[in-house]
Amino acid sequence: SQQGEEDPQALSIQEGENATMNCSYKTSINNLQWYRQNSGRGLVHLILIRSNEREKHSGRLRVTLDTSKKSSSLLITASRAADTASYFCATDRNNAGNMLTFGGGTRLMVKP
Amino acid sequence: GAGVSQSPSNKVTEKGKDVELRCDPISGHTALYWYRQSLGQGLEFLIYFQGNSAPDKSGLPSDRFSAERTGGSVSTLTIQRTQQEDSAVYLCASSLDPGSYYEQYFGPGTRLTVT
Repeated sequence: SQQGEEDPQALSIQEGENATMNCSYKTSINNLQWYRQNSGRGLVHLILIRSNEREKHSGRLRVTLDTSKKSSSLLITASRAADTASYFCATDRNNAGNMLTFGGGTRLMVKP
Repeated sequence: GAGVSQSPSNKVTEKGKDVELRCDPISGHTALYWYRQSLGQGLEFLIYFQGNSAPDKSGLPSDRFSAERTGGSVSTLTIQRTQQEDSAVYLCASSLDPGSYYEQYFGPGTRLTVT
């Protein structure tokens, strides 16, 4: 089974609204990353949060990490139609090199 | 600068044939990764290179899969005697260093269809 599991699997919102996606994982990690994927092709790195960090911001993105609950959330504020994509969390497990283990992803649709 | 490139972008092959997928990482990136994305399995790790060596081959699904990297740069993933369940998008990524805190940059992927 996958290390990370995203919730919800699909999310549909109106432009301008905020979108929140959650990710849970099972084992200890070095860091957690969020990626975006359009049309089932290349992944684009969004943000990396280290295991000793609790919150990180990048533009309209806000990521939180709770290692005690083994969970993370990605918040996209003031969403735009162009944010429509699939979003994946990926964890880098301790003592496993830099192999990333991905969750199943959240499909976000932002309606104009 | 140039990102990770992969070729071909699409490959259709008959069951039983061998295929070779190529990845050109970002120049200077020492670590290279292969992942596979399929409908039923999501995104799964296949193999990881540090320089030319592969310390972690744990994700290769069978002995029909092999990969090599030469000159610390280009990598090829070879699938022998392809099966229909090999159909997927094969993604390559590279990072500056195999250390934990370096983000991975992904290529556009190769969509493999086995008929």
